Amino acid sequence: GQNIDQPTEMTATEGAIVQINCTYQTSGFNGLFWYQQHAGEAPTFLSYNVLDGLEEKGRFSSFLSRSKGYSYLLLKELQMKDSASYLCAVRDSNYQLIWGAGTKLIIKP
Amino acid sequence: EAEVAQSPRYKITEKSQAVAFWCDPISGHATLYWYRQILGQGPELLVQFQDESVVDDSQLPKDRFSAERLKGVDSTLKIQPAELGDSAMYLCASSLGETGGAETQYFGPGTRLLVL
Repeated sequence: GQNIDQPTEMTATEGAIVQINCTYQTSGFNGLFWYQQHAGEAPTFLSYNVLDGLEEKGRFSSFLSRSKGYSYLLLKELQMKDSASYLCAVRDSNYQLIWGAGTKLIIKP
Repeated sequence: EAEVAQSPRYKITEKSQAVAFWCDPISGHATLYWYRQILGQGPELLVQFQDESVVDDSQLPKDRFSAERLKGVDSTLKIQPAELGDSAMYLCASSLGETGGAETQYFGPGTRLLVL
């Protein structure tokens, strides 16, 4: 079967750096997405990786290793507004998105 | 900035009643998705449209759920009759519908359904 694994919850301190990991086992691979979802709101697109390596976008970076079935989202200079769930999703060989359950990130002052 | 529109934002209904949700995708987006999301879980795809055609409805409980996108633009998702277990967030998303490339999905604000 297809599977996306992420930690259920993480806690970090304002101003610090946090890395959220995602491992996947899917039928084929056609890209990996990270979305941010604040409580009670819809997911918003953060990043897309299809080739190995690091994609940097401001305070957020996303890394992909296709051979290891692994990605991480790196958040720097954490702000209180970064408290949210972070969803990892992989597009499989049928171009369907397989979603993880999300990682709830709690930022403490 | 173009956005996906959804209505209503909140809906409270009694079990066995009918409910309907509406979605208007970003202009020019050929692909439209309806998802259901239960608290603490990732979105679950219910149905995917390419223009007016259903591409995937394998996870849609067809005995009570129906979806249509008659003119290939906006879409309606209906539940009849609603059951207690249908309480969830219903999300609509759209994407360009082009093969290759990122084909990023953009989400509307969602409809939070509570069935009593």
